[in-house]
Amino acid sequence: ELKVEQNPLFLSMQEGKNYTIYCNYSTTSDRLYWYRQDPGKSLESLFVLLSNGAVKQEGRLMASLDTKARLSTLHITAAVHDLSATYFCAAGGSQGNLIFGKGTKLSVKP
Amino acid sequence: GAGVSQTPSNKVTEKGKYVELRCDPISGHTALYWYRQSLGQGPEFLIYFQGTGAADDSGLPNDRFFAVRPEGSVSTLKIQRTERGDSAVYLCASSLQNLLSYNEQFFGPGTRLTVL
Repeated sequence: ELKVEQNPLFLSMQEGKNYTIYCNYSTTSDRLYWYRQDPGKSLESLFVLLSNGAVKQEGRLMASLDTKARLSTLHITAAVHDLSATYFCAAGGSQGNLIFGKGTKLSVKP
Repeated sequence: GAGVSQTPSNKVTEKGKYVELRCDPISGHTALYWYRQSLGQGPEFLIYFQGTGAADDSGLPNDRFFAVRPEGSVSTLKIQRTERGDSAVYLCASSLQNLLSYNEQFFGPGTRLTVL
């Protein structure tokens, strides 16, 4: 059974600092997704990672995938307040459904 | 273009009542998914449609839950004899699900269901 674990679950950062969110998954999965969710809103797709060593960057966010370690990371560079949200990673299930982690609630403070 | 839409946005019902939640996927998306998100948790998979048929309904918690997609577009999630534990946000997602789309799923705004 595919399980996805994220850590930390809560992250309070100062503006301008760097940090990394970790996502481990338990069995082989050929794709890994990162989503952002603002309070009371739905999920916004950030990244789709398809192969070992894949790295994608958008603004201050960079995601990577290590399929051998079953690990994906979301790195935040020089955080700004607008990045405050909950970030979810999800691994692709066998039938196309996504298995989500519990999310990392990020709060960026001035 | 239009994204995934869901109606109603909020639904308050009493324990034991029947509810229907509707999802309009992105036009042309063949795959449609229902998820349920409880407070402070990640979305949990309920059911997946490929076209008109339910390809995987293993996430439905019990036989009070049922979903249809009769014409391969709009889907309705139906919950009978609602219980307080059914209270959650019900999310719908759709995807092209071809080799080029990498099954990237686009989510609707959700229906917040409250069972009193």
